[in-house]
Amino acid sequence: RKEVEQDPGPFNVPEGATVAFNCTYSNSASQSFFWYRQDCRKEPKLLMSVYSSGNEDGRFTAQLNRASQYISLLIRDSKLSDSATYLCVVNGGFNKFYFGSGTKLNVKP
Amino acid sequence: DTGVSQNPRHKITKRGQNVTFRCDPISEHNRLYWYRQTLGQGPEFLTYFQNEAQLEKSRLLSDRFSAERPKGSFSTLEIQRTEQGDSAMYLCASSHGGKEVDEQYFGPGTRLTVT
Repeated sequence: RKEVEQDPGPFNVPEGATVAFNCTYSNSASQSFFWYRQDCRKEPKLLMSVYSSGNEDGRFTAQLNRASQYISLLIRDSKLSDSATYLCVVNGGFNKFYFGSGTKLNVKP
Repeated sequence: DTGVSQNPRHKITKRGQNVTFRCDPISEHNRLYWYRQTLGQGPEFLTYFQNEAQLEKSRLLSDRFSAERPKGSFSTLEIQRTEQGDSAMYLCASSHGGKEVDEQYFGPGTRLTVT
C-alpha cells in the first residue's frame, strides 16, 4: 500500500468554481502535512502547510482529519492560473517525506 | 536569487557512465533533501542531511548512489554505472530545520537521461 494516495484526476472545472481534493495517508504516526503545487516540468512549490486546526490562505483552505487519516484542499473561485498538479505530502517520521502522485487540475475559461 | 540552485539542469549520459549533481541550498537552511521524480509520479525520497550528517536513506538509494554534504552547505549526488532506469528528474530541497513544521523549498532539478 502506498504511503500517500491521491485521485490523479484530472479535475476539469470552469473558472470561478470551487473544487476540493482529498488525500489519504497510511501511517497514523505521521507528523506533518503539506500541499504543494507543481506546474508541468517545474519543481514543486509549497502551497501551504496543513495544521490540525485547519488553515486558510486566501482562496485556499486545508483541513486535516487524523481520525480518518486524510487531508483535504479546497480551492474557491478557481482561476486559470490554478491549473497545475497538486501534491499531497506527509512527513512519515524521521523527516522522511512521502509525496502522493498528484491530482491534476484544469481550470477552463 | 537566494533560492535552491541545482547544477547541471540537464545531463545526458551513456549507460555505464558516472554522473554527479550539485545542490546549493538556501543559505540559512541546515536540512537538505534529495528526491527522484519520474513522469506521472510524485517525488520519491532518496536521502536527507542535517548539516553534514546523512540521517536517513531510502532503500531506493542503491549502492550505486552516494550523496555527500561535506561542509554542511552544498551537497552532491553521484550515480555510478548509470542504468536506463536512472533516467528521471533529481530534485533537491532544503529547509530551515529549526521550526516546528519543516517546510521544504525545492530547486529546479537536474533532468538525467541515460541512453
